[in-house]
Amino acid sequence: GAGVSQSPSNKVTEKGKDVELRCDPISGHTALYWYRQSLGQGLEFLIYFQGNSAPDKSGLPSDRFSAERTGGSVSTLTIQRTQQEDSAVYLCASSPTITYEQYFGPGTRLTVT
Amino acid sequence: GQQLNQSPQSMFIQEGEDVSMNCTSSSIFNTWLWYKQDPGEGPVLLIALYKAGELTSNGRLTAQFGITRKDSFLNISASIPSDVGIYFCAQGAQKLVFGQGTRLTINP
Repeated sequence: GAGVSQSPSNKVTEKGKDVELRCDPISGHTALYWYRQSLGQGLEFLIYFQGNSAPDKSGLPSDRFSAERTGGSVSTLTIQRTQQEDSAVYLCASSPTITYEQYFGPGTRLTVT
Repeated sequence: GQQLNQSPQSMFIQEGEDVSMNCTSSSIFNTWLWYKQDPGEGPVLLIALYKAGELTSNGRLTAQFGITRKDSFLNISASIPSDVGIYFCAQGAQKLVFGQGTRLTINP
């Protein structure tokens, strides 16, 4: 079946602009995760959605970052007033409710100029 | 916070050789996961381990969950060119913590 999809695959933006990154999880997966992968910091957890529960936002690096998940499926990660240090690959993953096995999408490469 | 130390950071081997990499953790968790990442792609789950001492194989890959629950290794036997990539160990439940990765390069 279809895997996790993310769009856009690449995004170049100017410092100070807002960006939105989209994730479509695997159908039927109730949990959705966002991670960030950068050269200096490796793979870092950002935020986690599980069903209708309040999201776990403990990994968001600042209040410029937010995410929502509509209808228990598609999720959007928003970064406001982008900074150069936000340049990274943003990865989305999903998993069935009761397993630890997260399945990743191809990522969105964000470059802030 | 929890830290995973993965080694080696990089490996340069000949095609056909066996590969071994490992991870150690500062904390005890109930899972070890091994992922592989190809350029421009997201990590792909290779093996999941759930019990101390567990030894699991997936084709030419074998991984073990250390009995102390603080370490794990991944072995690749008879390496082939498509094994090239970055291998990550990971622990956690919903919030995965990843090792720094082992970059595998294979000389044909």
